[in-house]
Amino acid sequence: QSALTQPRSVSGSPGQSVTISCTGTSSDVGGYNYVSWYQQHPGIAPKLMIYDVSKRPSGVPDRFSGSKSGNTASLTISGLQAEDEADYYCCSYAGDYTSFGGGTSLTVL
Amino acid sequence: QVQLVQSGAEVKKPGASVKVSCKASGYTFTDNYIHWVRQAPGQGLEWMGWIYPNTGGTNYAQKFQGRVTMTRDTSISTAYMELSSLKSDDTALYYCARDTSMIEFGYWGQGTLVTVSS
Repeated sequence: QSALTQPRSVSGSPGQSVTISCTGTSSDVGGYNYVSWYQQHPGIAPKLMIYDVSKRPSGVPDRFSGSKSGNTASLTISGLQAEDEADYYCCSYAGDYTSFGGGTSLTVL
Repeated sequence: QVQLVQSGAEVKKPGASVKVSCKASGYTFTDNYIHWVRQAPGQGLEWMGWIYPNTGGTNYAQKFQGRVTMTRDTSISTAYMELSSLKSDDTALYYCARDTSMIEFGYWGQGTLVTVSS
């Protein structure tokens, strides 16, 4: 039961796009279409941004999108805004367990 | 509206146990899995396990098996997570989260800080 691999940090300027990767194995990310993404601002509980790889809950801007190829899932944020600066975590179903990624800190320059 | 309200902060000595509660409201408690996730200071999210309130069935992460017990009281729509044999590296913010479907954690509790210190 291993953690998923995410880059520790990414950055981008307002208006640009960034992509955060989340690499697992065929036992988790690659084996199921159940990957979710969470945004966490300091001192606040995580917020669901994407579920089922690419679905957006109501209220989440369409600037946020998710995809998957093989054992790697990705979160893309387009039209970066200052309020997007936060930590982002991926999460994958893996049958009898659930794995989170180590988290990626997004800096909006 | 869906709400998960957790119990207050705890300070425990090494070797002790802690029991954190998560009171649900705004939906039918027995319809959805409750997962527990913890976050050590400055660290990432770590999945601990889930309980299905309808049946009381549980599934724990391998790391916590033998030390964690998840229970529920359907009469008061409350889930509990008890962690025993506490060590200093169990110091963390413990969250409960409602699973709408498959790891779709749309609602989270506010978190309960557990500090383990001698």
